[in-house]
Amino acid sequence: DQQVKQNSPSLSVQEGRISILNCDYTNSMFDYFLWYKKYPAEGPTFLISISSIKDKNEDGRFTVFLNKSAKHLSLHIVPSQPGDSAVYFCAASAVGGGADGLTFGKGTHLIIQP
Amino acid sequence: DARVTQTPRHKVTEMGQEVTMRCQPILGHNTVFWYRQTMMQGLELLAYFRNRAPLDDSGMPKDRFSAEMPDATLATLKIQPSEPRDSAVYFCASGLVREQYFGPGTRLTVT
Repeated sequence: DQQVKQNSPSLSVQEGRISILNCDYTNSMFDYFLWYKKYPAEGPTFLISISSIKDKNEDGRFTVFLNKSAKHLSLHIVPSQPGDSAVYFCAASAVGGGADGLTFGKGTHLIIQP
Repeated sequence: DARVTQTPRHKVTEMGQEVTMRCQPILGHNTVFWYRQTMMQGLELLAYFRNRAPLDDSGMPKDRFSAEMPDATLATLKIQPSEPRDSAVYFCASGLVREQYFGPGTRLTVT
């Protein structure tokens, strides 16, 4: 039972355009959502997060949108750059007092084309 | 630049051998996590500690896996005996609030 789903295994976007990565979840107890970026042979790198009390969080070129009623979140990257080519993981955690174990999606491989 | 460090980065061993992976969390982080990444399952939580006390190890096969935090600067994950199905990349992560910061991983191959 996959509680966090990233239905697009890969996505190809032209440099300078917007990249939109999607993620769906099923567990209503999730209250915090994170996006990680991963290059080959490296660990996941934290990108941006959002609490369930918000519907948008922005950090530079990265914006995460949360639609609680649809149990859906998306990561927007504008403008896309060649260095953004990586695997992006959506992750979620349930209500807790601090850092708690994350449930990850299977990832989306983003390819930025010149 | 504070980082999570993991050793070894690569480990090849034969089935039945003991494997120990080590992690140094970021100084000041009170929660340490062990994850495993495989092609089939993706990234899965194995176990985690808060203030060195185990909080959850339900993701770990307990007959062969064990996780400990001897002190605040060292977390270990041990597999004994190892099996080919344990081949994966094992990540350690640490955190203080909701965000977690990952180490580079240990790539384990059991033949």
